[in-house]
Amino acid sequence: AQTVTQSQPEMSVQEAETVTLSCTYDTSESDYYLFWYKQPPSRQMILVIRQEAYKQQNATENRFSVNFQKAAKSFSLKISDSQLGDAAMYFCAYQETSGSRLTFGEGTQLTVNP
Amino acid sequence: AAGVIQSPRHLIKEKRETATLKCYPIPRHDTVYWYQQGPGQDPQFLISFYEKMQSDKGSIPDRFSAQQFSDYHSELNMSSLELGDSALYFCASSPRSRGISYEQYFGPGTRLTVT
Repeated sequence: AQTVTQSQPEMSVQEAETVTLSCTYDTSESDYYLFWYKQPPSRQMILVIRQEAYKQQNATENRFSVNFQKAAKSFSLKISDSQLGDAAMYFCAYQETSGSRLTFGEGTQLTVNP
Repeated sequence: AAGVIQSPRHLIKEKRETATLKCYPIPRHDTVYWYQQGPGQDPQFLISFYEKMQSDKGSIPDRFSAQQFSDYHSELNMSSLELGDSALYFCASSPRSRGISYEQYFGPGTRLTVT
């Protein structure tokens, strides 16, 4: 079974600074999908960014970017110019094939300090 | 834009009672997923449906059952409730196409409290 590991239960960053959240996963598949979801205090699950394993180029969405290292099975999220609204729980998630279940990591609680 | 609708948003039940959670996916989304998120935990996959047929099953207790109806809405039925069933239950929906990963759009969740 696939596993997703987030080794940082908590992280903090100063407003306007950059922070990187780590995620590793285990799979024997060559094609799969990876996601970062954000869960603010409202508990709503919000997609931040996604990466297809067959794409070598790292995904970018505005201030959010990933560092996808397929051989190392690593998928980190970089948040640039951190804002107070970025404070949330961040979950890394793995999806084996289109339409299949999401397997989540344990989450990283991000605090943004003014 | 239309989002995933879940009802009720909050539900309080006593042990051994039954609960029914409802999910209305985004129009034209043919796949529905159910996840359970316990306090301080990550969401755990329960079950999914594609075109009204069960497509995948995760760690769903035998006390739980679910189905997807002809209008694509889905219901999660939970019987003989236990204190440990207290959690946030998410429904998510997505379209499906071979080789393309579509985002799973999550509903706001139903918070179930079992007393």
